[in-house]
Amino acid sequence: AQTVTQSQPEMSVQEAETVTLSCTYDTSESDYYLFWYKQPPSRQMILVIRQEAYKQQNATENRFSVNFQKAAKSFSLKISDSQLGDAAMYFCAYRETSGSRLTFGEGTQLTVNP
Amino acid sequence: DTAVSQTPKYLVTQMGNDKSIKCEQNLGHDTMYWYKQDSKKFLKIMFSYNNKELIINETVPNRFSPKSPDKAHLNLHINSLELGDSAVYFCASSRGLAYGELFFGEGSRLTVL
Repeated sequence: AQTVTQSQPEMSVQEAETVTLSCTYDTSESDYYLFWYKQPPSRQMILVIRQEAYKQQNATENRFSVNFQKAAKSFSLKISDSQLGDAAMYFCAYRETSGSRLTFGEGTQLTVNP
Repeated sequence: DTAVSQTPKYLVTQMGNDKSIKCEQNLGHDTMYWYKQDSKKFLKIMFSYNNKELIINETVPNRFSPKSPDKAHLNLHINSLELGDSAVYFCASSRGLAYGELFFGEGSRLTVL
């Protein structure tokens, strides 16, 4: 079974600084999707960024970018110019291209300090 | 227009009762899901339906019964509620079985007293 591990239960960053959240996963598949979701106190699950495993180029969405290392099975999220509104629980997630299951990591609670 | 909507958002009930949570998506997606988020915020899949057909049925007590009357709706009925059923239940949808991301509803917080 695929597993997703987020080794940082909590992280904090100063406003306007950069922070990196770590994620590793275990799979024997060669093609799959990886995602970062954000869950603010409102409880809503919001997609932050996605990466297809066949793409070598790292995905970027405005201030959010990933460092995808396929051989190392690592998928970290970098948040640049952190804003107060970035404070949330961040979940790394994995999905096979051949199946419907989305498997989540345990989450990293990000605090942004003014 | 909310893409994936769940009702009710909050549910407080007594042990032993039966309750239902409804979910509707207006995205035209083929696949729908129920996830449970426990008190430690861990998200675990419970069920997945594709075009009204049950695809994933995790190790969930048979007190939980999903029903998909059509591909835009997926309801969750829970019989004989127990304290351990207290959690947030998320409905989600995706274009298909192997297409990209899931779109989530706002969650339904169930509290069993």
